[in-house]
Amino acid sequence: LAKTTQPISMDSYEGQEVNITCSHNNIATNDYITWYQQFPSQGPRFIIQGYKTKVTNEVASLFIPADRKSSTLSLPRVSLSDTAVYYCLVGEGQAGTALIFGKGTTLSVSS
Amino acid sequence: GAVVSQHPSRVICKSGTSVKIECRSLDFQATTMFWYRQFPKQSLMLMATSNEGSKATYEQGVEKDKFLINHASLTLSTLTVTSAHPEDSSFYICSARDRFRGSYNEQFFGPGTRLTVL
Repeated sequence: LAKTTQPISMDSYEGQEVNITCSHNNIATNDYITWYQQFPSQGPRFIIQGYKTKVTNEVASLFIPADRKSSTLSLPRVSLSDTAVYYCLVGEGQAGTALIFGKGTTLSVSS
Repeated sequence: GAVVSQHPSRVICKSGTSVKIECRSLDFQATTMFWYRQFPKQSLMLMATSNEGSKATYEQGVEKDKFLINHASLTLSTLTVTSAHPEDSSFYICSARDRFRGSYNEQFFGPGTRLTVL
């Protein structure tokens, strides 16, 4: 499994766009990039997943450059409720394979 | 998405007692479930992989005789913390993957169980 590196914490204000970058220099050809969100005292929740280029859903966008050695999670117009820990994970995602979590990025959104 | 439940949501017990935590996939069958532990302000740490009908696979450093895992059906896995001690106090989270729903690497997590050992 490729190791990931993210900033420990980030601060933002309501209404701003937040970009969290994750480095994964040793990503393998079959690996997908997945982001999870975790609120205090809750289980993580899937946000978005991608393999290359750009993926967008109703919650976020994921930008992946051609070399796939990094990825950026983009949260448009954050609100106070987006305050959470965001985890970047890289792996094949085969059935029966556990997810290995890194330290994650604690995002704090203020008014 | 698919729903995973855990019971109880929080439990307080005395040192030396055993505590059972249930993890259920409510609307899908899960041949494999995973158990994680999370200490305050730390990331999730994988404890074990629970396989239906067979023995669980434990991560290095996790005592299999202390953390008993049973996966007797396709919708239920249980984690029993035996002879619990204060250092076992933590947030325990289970997860499972629905083969027919979700993205390639998507797992569905339970809400977690807060264990406090006095």
